[in-house]
Amino acid sequence: GAGVSQSPSNKVTEKGKDVELRCDPISGHTALYWYRQSLGQGLEFLIYFQGNSAPDKSGLPSDRFSAERTGGSVSTLTIQRTQQEDSAVYLCASSSLDRAGYTFGSGTRLTVV
Amino acid sequence: QQQVKQSPQSLIVQKGGISIINCAYENTAFDYFPWYQQFPGKGPALLIAIRPDVSEKKEGRFTISFNKSAKQFSLHIMDSQPGDSATYFCAARAGNNRKLIWGLGTSLAVNP
Repeated sequence: GAGVSQSPSNKVTEKGKDVELRCDPISGHTALYWYRQSLGQGLEFLIYFQGNSAPDKSGLPSDRFSAERTGGSVSTLTIQRTQQEDSAVYLCASSSLDRAGYTFGSGTRLTVV
Repeated sequence: QQQVKQSPQSLIVQKGGISIINCAYENTAFDYFPWYQQFPGKGPALLIAIRPDVSEKKEGRFTISFNKSAKQFSLHIMDSQPGDSATYFCAARAGNNRKLIWGLGTSLAVNP
């Protein structure tokens, strides 16, 4: 596609429920990144996929968070047993090796009530 | 440990003025230094970037100044406009297959 697509754009969930956030990167981009951004704050790195290499999961805040990338394209970030502190905007970005810049999606705003 | 330190946290500038945001880094392996602009409700978007073999890069009203010996780089916005009001992030990367390391962001408000 022309840009990075994220869905849903907004998600309200009850505490304790599981949620899945989807990212559809730019076609051909080998790298995919998930970030979390709390209101008015910076970008918190979560996880990084690069081609067929093992993902860099060093930013995942707890074992309730996981992500997968199927077929080197679409990625899903899953948060199990959501907590109120998980409320944030979850941003996905993709990039290619021959162009250094990231292209971000518009994010999913997650609210845990 | 914040590998890329960004300042100021917030900045207010009058229309027509110059906005200056600074970043400092420690890792001499960094080889790519971008600036991103983020408007409310949107993801960050690449604004301008520089590699360490040049000391300055200009695109329109936006200029990156790079000081390799001091390990600092800055974003200058000339003739700042209210439409420039946004959050700006600096970042750095060491190698093509490495992830960006981000500054904490600067909230810029340009008063009309």
